[in-house]
Amino acid sequence: DTGVSQDPRHKITKRGQNVTFRCDPISEHNRLYWYRQTLGQGPEFLTYFQNEAQLEKSRLLSDRFSAERPKGSFSTLEIQRTEQGDSAMYLCASSSLAGVNEQFFGPGTRLTVL
Amino acid sequence: KQEVTQIPAALSVPEGENLVLNCSFTDSAIYNLQWFRQDPGKGLTSLLLIQSSQREQTSGRLNASLDKSSGRSTLYIAASQPGDSATYLCAGKLTFGTGTRLTIIP
Repeated sequence: DTGVSQDPRHKITKRGQNVTFRCDPISEHNRLYWYRQTLGQGPEFLTYFQNEAQLEKSRLLSDRFSAERPKGSFSTLEIQRTEQGDSAMYLCASSSLAGVNEQFFGPGTRLTVL
Repeated sequence: KQEVTQIPAALSVPEGENLVLNCSFTDSAIYNLQWFRQDPGKGLTSLLLIQSSQREQTSGRLNASLDKSSGRSTLYIAASQPGDSATYLCAGKLTFGTGTRLTIIP
């Protein structure tokens, strides 16, 4: 078990470009979560999946954001037409319904929008 | 809507001291409460999870308690070490506090 992995670790893009992040959860974890964290703040919930179903989305997830988990394994988070305000750390976590639903986090993807 | 508050925002203590970090939440209908540490620029490391039916959990020098009726949780760190310096975050129902930045002074 290698833990939650995220790719890329860092992304620098120009305003208006689209970006996509990938998250690979711990094997056999049913739930996968996306959060966004800005400097000095705690993570803010964006969305979560149970298997391939997207069960909850935050109001923070504007129309420019979309997340998928097509086969119930890895997930992607896409941001279209990036804005400078999208600059943040994007964190992914996974948990298992079979246990106490403890969340385990990946290292994050740091996005900088110029 | 769940709100989670952590006070103080920052804390500095000399090495070897015991300390308590506080977490308050508004919605007592939480399934569980989880404590994390975060080092600068890194992801979150899970420390302890307390289920709603439990009152406390212990791991090594760490002890976390949960009082749902008052909407409070505490994280107790015994015999603090410089390696404990980090930001500590609590979370319940997908909502995180803003964290307490802890500095242990050698």
